[in-house]
Amino acid sequence: GAVVSQHPSRVICKSGTSVKIECRSLDFQATTMFWYRQFPKQSLMLMATSNEGSKATYEQGVEKDKFLINHASLTLSTLTVTSAHPEDSSFYICSARPAGGHNEQFFGPGTRLTVL
Amino acid sequence: DAKTTQPTSMDCAEGRAANLPCNHSTISGNEYVYWYRQIHSQGPQYIIHGLKNNETNEMASLIITEDRKSSTLILPHATLRDTAVYYCIVRVPIKAAGNKLTFGGGTRVLVKP
Repeated sequence: GAVVSQHPSRVICKSGTSVKIECRSLDFQATTMFWYRQFPKQSLMLMATSNEGSKATYEQGVEKDKFLINHASLTLSTLTVTSAHPEDSSFYICSARPAGGHNEQFFGPGTRLTVL
Repeated sequence: DAKTTQPTSMDCAEGRAANLPCNHSTISGNEYVYWYRQIHSQGPQYIIHGLKNNETNEMASLIITEDRKSSTLILPHATLRDTAVYYCIVRVPIKAAGNKLTFGGGTRVLVKP
């Protein structure tokens, strides 16, 4: 149980385009989902916390207008990288916290974004 | 959340126990110690967590010192598939904290044949 999927697993896009990444909890409902970014040989950095039905909370230094987060249901959160640039190329990872007071987080497999 | 210190990297032999240390000298009384690992190009995987008692599950054992200022993750019989970056994280697991996980540099473990 507690499987989180991400789609796509890998995406290459041109500079200036927007890319949407989906994060789904497959066998549980997640009231909270988290989005991380990881550059090569670096650790994961939390970008934002996404709560179902409300606005996401962004970490300091993360532009909310550039990284749009939508958590419209208890099993789906999306991250849209708008007007992507090469410096946005990174490994984007989501995690989900099950509803009902469970404190653990389960991570997705990640999405590798390459902006040309 | 309390800061943790881990060695940057370590090698271990396949089939032997791997002991991964973590220092968390500023840990508070209500903070738990969590361990995750990240295999290359994958999302992190939960391993184990504990408060003050030693814990064991099918993946590993967690030994926490009596003063709780350090801990050791033990992989009893390391395999090549255990090669990964291991993260020690200290946090308060309550809803009010938002369940944020703050990842440090971790320990890059290479299991050698």
